[in-house]
Amino acid sequence: DIQVTQSPSFLSASVGDRVSITCRANQTISIYLNWYQQISGRAPSLLINVASSLQSGVPSRFSGSGSGTDFTLTISSLQPEDFATYYCQQTYDMSRTFGGGTKVEIK
Amino acid sequence: QVQLQESGPGLVKPSQTLSLTCSVTGASITNGGFYWGWIRQHPGKGLEWLGYIYFTGSTHYNPSLTSRVLMSVDTSKNQFSLKLSSVTAADTAVYYCARVPRLSGYGLDVWGQGTTVGVSS
Repeated sequence: DIQVTQSPSFLSASVGDRVSITCRANQTISIYLNWYQQISGRAPSLLINVASSLQSGVPSRFSGSGSGTDFTLTISSLQPEDFATYYCQQTYDMSRTFGGGTKVEIK
Repeated sequence: QVQLQESGPGLVKPSQTLSLTCSVTGASITNGGFYWGWIRQHPGKGLEWLGYIYFTGSTHYNPSLTSRVLMSVDTSKNQFSLKLSSVTAADTAVYYCARVPRLSGYGLDVWGQGTTVGVSS
């Protein structure tokens, strides 16, 4: 099975900070990696498709990069509404595994 | 605006079958551009992909759950369903339904609000 490992698992940052979260797969998955945001108590929402394609309606401060085994989600200037948990998901095979999550909290 | 809504029992006894339905409004489930999927989240934990179904009835399940999962679709009601057999406490989770674009590798773009299912005698 393809495993995806996110880091860090917890991140403390201030409004206006540039924040990066990484996701590493244990085998190459091309660009088949998506990113989601989950605000506490709510369903996840899609941010980034296939590594770098911004989902419609998502603010441009969110961006994704990477291919192969290493991927990054970047928030260019953290806003108050961005404090949440972020997940990556590989869609290379049918297990479609999610990463363990990165919780972004206010410093 | 497409909306998904999960429904079903909030409590299931061990060894029984968990049954959930997802009702789709604002779009037809027979739109060929999408699959319809299920995901769950254990309490305080991350997300687990369960599988998806196409309106034709074609299914793709997470290999780790294939022996216990059954998905079906009812196009007349614009709904799709999940059955998970032989449940244990480890199946206690929030269950989400979601729309899956058929674009290769694209993510789950519309989610239901989720429904909590507990497994206990």
